[in-house]
Amino acid sequence: DAGVIQSPRHEVTEMGQEVTLRCKPISGHDYLFWYRQTMMRGLELLIYFNNNVPIDDSGMPEDRFSAKMPNASFSTLKIQPSEPRDSAVYFCASSFHRVGNYGYTFGSGTRLTVV
Amino acid sequence: GNSVTQMEGPVTLSEEAFLTINCTYTATGYPSLFWYVQYPGEGLQLLLKATKADDKGSNKGFEATYRKETTSFHLEKGSVQVSDSAVYFCALSDLNTGGFKTIFGAGTRLFVKA
Repeated sequence: DAGVIQSPRHEVTEMGQEVTLRCKPISGHDYLFWYRQTMMRGLELLIYFNNNVPIDDSGMPEDRFSAKMPNASFSTLKIQPSEPRDSAVYFCASSFHRVGNYGYTFGSGTRLTVV
Repeated sequence: GNSVTQMEGPVTLSEEAFLTINCTYTATGYPSLFWYVQYPGEGLQLLLKATKADDKGSNKGFEATYRKETTSFHLEKGSVQVSDSAVYFCALSDLNTGGFKTIFGAGTRLFVKA
């Protein structure tokens, strides 16, 4: 398995532009998570899905952020409009809910820079 | 609510030294506990886990024991290598009180000198 695949690896955009981050989870995994990592706040859970349905989006910072999972093999995180304070590394992770096995598999992340 | 506290870094050691990274947790239920490792430019990787009290997780020479009486899950390795230089995250997941979310500590950066 190729693991969790995120694209792009790096994104530089101007303030006010729309940004879309993409994630392909591991086949067969039924949970998908979006995290944001910054030096100041560490790892923050933004939203997670179970069987393509959003379960908890309480970590989404503002209405400018939205996430979708149209099918089991693809998810997007969109920021519109983007702001410099959105600059961070965004990680996608997936997991298979099995009793006694709750570990996640993370993607390599998307480093977003908003200038 | 549930939380994880780990020792602040960075931790700097010489090769072959003994490593301990402290981690304590707060949880109202019976969480599963994890250590993840993040190498530069990469995502987090699951290093080891323990799902109940007194369980010992181990992998690649690293160990951690789930201590319910002290609410701790300290990471240890007997002899570190330069290649162990990374950021280590302690984490917990409690299905009963936290849903299927994992809460991560702030991370501890480890530098190993040759």
